Amino acid sequence: GAVVSQHPSWVICKSGTSVKIECRSLDFQATTMFWYRQFPKQSLMLMATSNEGSKATYEQGVEKDKFLINHASLTLSTLTVTSAHPEDSSFYICSARPGTGVGEQYFGPGTRLTVT
Amino acid sequence: AQSVAQPEDQVNVAEGNPLTVKCTYSVSGNPYLFWYVQYPNRGLQFLLKYITGDNLVKGSYGFEAEFNKSQTSFHLKKPSALVSDSALYFCAVRDPTSGGYQKVTFGTGTKLQVIP
Repeated sequence: GAVVSQHPSWVICKSGTSVKIECRSLDFQATTMFWYRQFPKQSLMLMATSNEGSKATYEQGVEKDKFLINHASLTLSTLTVTSAHPEDSSFYICSARPGTGVGEQYFGPGTRLTVT
Repeated sequence: AQSVAQPEDQVNVAEGNPLTVKCTYSVSGNPYLFWYVQYPNRGLQFLLKYITGDNLVKGSYGFEAEFNKSQTSFHLKKPSALVSDSALYFCAVRDPTSGGYQKVTFGTGTKLQVIP
């Protein structure tokens, strides 16, 4: 149980285009979902937190107009990287916290984004 | 503010020997503590958590961790290391009294290398 999927697992796009990444909790309802960015050999950087049906809360320094997050249902959140630049190339990971959120988060497998 | 420190970037251990991956934390209240493991190009997998109760917590794959409030530590341990344990390990802390979405703060990660 507690499986989180991400799609796509990797994507290559051209500068200036937009890319959408989906995060789904497959066997539980996730009131809260999180989006992280991970650079090589570095820890996770929390980008934003989203609750179903409400606006995402972005961390300081993260451009909300560039990284659009939509938490449309209790099992789906999407991250859209708009007008992508090469510096947006990274490993993006989502996680979901089930129910009342007392316990752990479950992570998706990640999406490798390369912007050319 | 909450924080987590993993003082070792890398830990090397011989197969069959006991392993310890260190973690210390700082929160204003009583912490929720977590360990996650990440294999190359994969998302994080939950290993174990401490919420309350017994200070020694047992988790997946034979791992355990001991919560030490006086030393504000939550070191990850395993009695006998396997080559397949080689991965990146993250300690994380959450302050349940922080309000809001109660985001989790991750350490910088420790690479565990088990030598055959």
